Amino acid sequence: NAGVTQTPKFQVLKTGQSMTLQCAQDMNHEYMSWYRQDPGMGLRLIHYSVGAGITDQGEVPNGYNVSRSTTEDFPLRLLSAAPSQTSVYFCASSYSPTGNNSPLHFGNGTRLTVT
Amino acid sequence: SQKIEQNSEALNIQEGKTATLTCNYTNYSPAYLQWYRQDPGRGPVFLLLIRENEKEKRKERLKVTFDTTLKQSLFHITASQPADSATYLCALHPYSGSARQLTFGSGTQLTVLP
Repeated sequence: NAGVTQTPKFQVLKTGQSMTLQCAQDMNHEYMSWYRQDPGMGLRLIHYSVGAGITDQGEVPNGYNVSRSTTEDFPLRLLSAAPSQTSVYFCASSYSPTGNNSPLHFGNGTRLTVT
Repeated sequence: SQKIEQNSEALNIQEGKTATLTCNYTNYSPAYLQWYRQDPGRGPVFLLLIRENEKEKRKERLKVTFDTTLKQSLFHITASQPADSATYLCALHPYSGSARQLTFGSGTQLTVLP
C-alpha cells in the first residue's frame, strides 16, 4: 500500500505564480485534509473534505482552493502565491468521514518556497 | 482562546532512561487526545489515542496518561533508544467537534543520546 502520496516534494515559486499540490490516497478513506506546518506554529488545517464533492474550510483557508472529484484525490491550489505561503504542506486522510476518533495518515509533505 | 503547549521545544536524555513529554491545554474540553511521531522530512505518524474517560493507555514501550483536572497529557517512552529520536506532537479533539477542530501542538524534539 502506498498510503498517502504527495507531489511534488519540493517547489519554488515566484510571487504571483499559481500551482497545484497533488495528494492521492489508496486506502479508500472518506476524509482528507490539507495542513501547513511552520516553525513554532504546529500543524494548521487549511481545507478538508468528508467525501467526494464535499469540501470545507479549516483554520487558515485564505489563498487556497480545493476540490474533491474522486475519493482518491484531493489537490490544493494556490491561485497567486505569496511569500507568506512559504511552508511545508501535508495532506492527511482518515477512515472516519468526520475525522472523529480516527487517526490521521499523513503524506511526506511538499516543501514550498515563494520568493 | 484555546491553547496547546508542549513542554519544551527540545529534550535530551540518555539512552535507557525514560523520556517524559508534556502536553498542556487551556480553554479546551477535549474528547480525546492523540500522539504522533514526526521524523525530519517526513509526515507525522500516529502512535496512540486516549479518550477523556481513560486515564492511561499503553503500547509496547509507550505510555500515555490523560488528566482532565490538570488539563494535561504525559507521554512516556521507557528504555529509550537513539531510534526514538524524533519530534512528538500531541493533538486534541473536542466533544461534538468535526474534523476541522483537531488541533495540534507545535511538538517536542526528543534526542536520545547513546
